[in-house]
Amino acid sequence: EIVLTQSPATLSLSPGERATLSCRTSQSISSDCAWYQQKPGQAPRLLIYDASNRATGIPARFSGSGSGTDFTLTISNLEPEDFAVYYCQQRINWPPTFGGGTKVEIK
Amino acid sequence: QVQLVQSGSELKKPGASVKVACKASGYTFSSHAMNWVRQAPGQGLEYMGWISNHNGSPTYAQAFTGRFVFSLDTSVSTAYLQISSLKAEDTAVYYCARTSNSGSYIFDIWGQGTKVTVSS
Repeated sequence: EIVLTQSPATLSLSPGERATLSCRTSQSISSDCAWYQQKPGQAPRLLIYDASNRATGIPARFSGSGSGTDFTLTISNLEPEDFAVYYCQQRINWPPTFGGGTKVEIK
Repeated sequence: QVQLVQSGSELKKPGASVKVACKASGYTFSSHAMNWVRQAPGQGLEYMGWISNHNGSPTYAQAFTGRFVFSLDTSVSTAYLQISSLKAEDTAVYYCARTSNSGSYIFDIWGQGTKVTVSS
């Protein structure tokens, strides 16, 4: 099973700042990385798939990059609604697995 | 609009069974596989497995073999998760999630979650 390690566990930032979230995998997953946002009491929402493709309706301030074992989710200009937990996920190997999450909180 | 609506919260005693429903609308139910994901209290996301939209065949992640059963009723566009012999450690929110047309194991639409509490 592929292990995904997200860092940092918590990111404290102010609205308008740039958030950079990292996801490292225990073995290469090519570009088969997705990112999800989850707010308290809500279901996850797909943001990015295949490392860099924004899902339908996702604002351009969200971008993804990386390949192999290192992936990054960048939120270029934090809006108040962006404070949430973010999970990365790999789909190249069975079973799909998720990282432990990064919480982006208001500083 | 495209959505998955899950059945309501459940409180069960250890040893009982529970069946969670996930009703799809706004898209052709038979065109997308359905997945199930568990989230224990305060924890991350854990993939449980999926059920084929073509033949209704389920595939379970290793931790979810034996007591967990996925099924479909295409006549009412609904997927089901049944858990038998419930244990306290089954307490969690269970999500259904649709497989995207963009690729296998990309989950583009999620149900709102069903909280299952197992307590005596």
